[in-house]
Formats: sequence, structure tokens, C-alpha cells
Amino acid sequence: NAGVTQTPKFQVLKTGQSMTLQCAQDMNHEYMSWYRQDPGMGLRLIHYSVGAGITDQGEVPNGYNVSRSTTEDFPLRLLSAAPSQTSVYFCASSSLGETQYFGPGTRLLVL
Amino acid sequence: SQKIEQNSEALNIQEGKTATLTCNYTNYSPAYLQWYRQDPGRGPVFLLLIRENEKEKRKERLKVTFDTTLKQSLFHITASQPADSATYLCALMAGANNLFFGTGTRLTVIP
Repeated sequence: NAGVTQTPKFQVLKTGQSMTLQCAQDMNHEYMSWYRQDPGMGLRLIHYSVGAGITDQGEVPNGYNVSRSTTEDFPLRLLSAAPSQTSVYFCASSSLGETQYFGPGTRLLVL
Repeated sequence: SQKIEQNSEALNIQEGKTATLTCNYTNYSPAYLQWYRQDPGRGPVFLLLIRENEKEKRKERLKVTFDTTLKQSLFHITASQPADSATYLCALMAGANNLFFGTGTRLTVIP
């Protein structure tokens, strides 16, 4: 099992550019989520999904889109990157009601 | 507003001593409380989960308590080792499997 994988590991964007952060899991978990981690702020939930075709907003969803067409994949899209989106992004997955497994993270720098 | 506070940003202790980390929360009624370990440049790794009807949980040198009246959890590492040095995060589970994190305590165990 690869667990939760994220690509890319690191990305630099210019303001206004768009990009997709990829997340995949091979544990057949129903639940997947995206967090961002900023110094002094802790991890904050962006979007989550409880199954294919079902997504919902977390605490800080503005500027991000998600979709869940398969159980395995949960990409996060930045539509028009802003410097405030400079952060480390973590994807996580779990069975419902169980502990979450996190990916290694994507470091994003928006200039 | 909802808040999760971990008592200190950083904690230094001598090898062999017991480290005690505190997590306090307000305006939540969590079903579960979880503790994660995060090493620099990596995603959080699950350590322990304690349910609202449990007072204490142990795993090897780790012990977690959960007091829903005080709205507090204590996380203990006994016989601490330099390899225990990391950031420890508490997280409350509420809603559809969603986790809400504290900002973390960076533990350094001094040989």
C-alpha cells in the first residue's frame, strides 16, 4: 500500500495562475479531505468528501474547488492563485469514524 | 467562537522525564479527541484516539486523558527519549468525520 500520495511536492506559482494539487489513496477510504497548514494557525480544513460524487466545504473553502469522481482521487484546484494561498497543503483519508491518514504535503509558494 | 488551545508552543524536557501536553477546547462537543505527531516536513501521524465516554487511553509510553467537564485532554509521554522530539497536535472530531486542530506543541527532549 502506498497510503496517501500527493503531487507535486513543491510548486511556485505567479499570482493569477491556476493549478491542481493531486491526492490519491489506495486504502478504499470513503472520507477524503484537504487541509492547509500555516505558521501559528494549525491545520485548517478546506474541503472534504464522504464518498465519490459528494463534496462539501470546510472552514476555509474560498479560492479552492474540489471534485470526487472516484473513491481513490480527490484533487484540489486553485482557480486564480493569490499570495494568501502560500501554505503547506495536506490531503488525508479515512474510513468514516476512524483515524485519518495524511499525505506528505505539497508546499505552495505564490508570488 | 470555537477554539482549541494547546498550552504552550514549545516544551523542553530532560530525557527520561515525563512530558505532559495540554489541549483545551471551547464551544465544541466532540465525539472523539485525537493526538497526532508531526515531524518537520512531514504530514501528521496518528497516535491515539479517545472517545467522549472514555477517561483514559494508553499505548506503550503514551497516555491520554479526556475530561469533557473541564473540556481538556492531557497527553503524557513517559520515559521520554530524544526520538520523541516532534510537534504534537490535538484534534477534535466533529460533524462528518471532520477534524479541527490545535496549533501544536513543539516538544524537545534533551539528552
